[in-house]
Amino acid sequence: DIQMTQSPSSLSASVGDRVTITCRASQSIGDYLNWYQRKPGKAPKLLIYAASTLQSGVPSSFSGSGSGTDFTLTINSLQPEDFATYYCQQSYSAPHTFGQGTKLEIK
Amino acid sequence: EVQLLESGGGLVQPGGSLRLSCAASGFSFNNYDMSWVRQAPGKGLEWVSGISRSGASTYHADSVKGRFTISRDNSKNTLYLQMNSLRGEDTAVYHCAKGAYFASIDVWGNGTTVTVSS
Repeated sequence: DIQMTQSPSSLSASVGDRVTITCRASQSIGDYLNWYQRKPGKAPKLLIYAASTLQSGVPSSFSGSGSGTDFTLTINSLQPEDFATYYCQQSYSAPHTFGQGTKLEIK
Repeated sequence: EVQLLESGGGLVQPGGSLRLSCAASGFSFNNYDMSWVRQAPGKGLEWVSGISRSGASTYHADSVKGRFTISRDNSKNTLYLQMNSLRGEDTAVYHCAKGAYFASIDVWGNGTTVTVSS
């Protein structure tokens, strides 16, 4: 199975900051990398698929990049509603494993 | 409106069985791959099982292989997860999920809670 490793596990930032979360796959997954946002009590929300394609309705402050084994999620100008937990997921081969998550907290 | 509504969760003893159901509406169910994703208390998301649109292909995480079976009934727009030989580590909220581009998940159900305990 492909292992997904996110870093950092947690992150403190302020409104208006720019933050970057990284995700590394244990083997090449091309661009089969997705990013999700999870808030307490709510279903996860798809932000980005295919490494860099923004899901419809997601603010352009979110962006994704990378291919192969190394990927990043960047959030520009953090808004209060962006504080949540973020997960990467590989969909290159089953099982479609998730990273362990990155909890983004308000500083 | 696209909706996924899970049911069938509950309290079960170790070694017991449960069958989860997911009723889909608002989209052409038979045109999409589907999956189950769970989140144990205090843990992250774990992809559990996936099934192709026709049901011909199924996939399971190693942690549930041989114990869980995913299936679907396209005539009823319903996804299932048969869970046997349940263990304490299977305690989690189980979400039904709709496949999208690049096998991402664009719609999630709110989940049904499974508690395995004596």
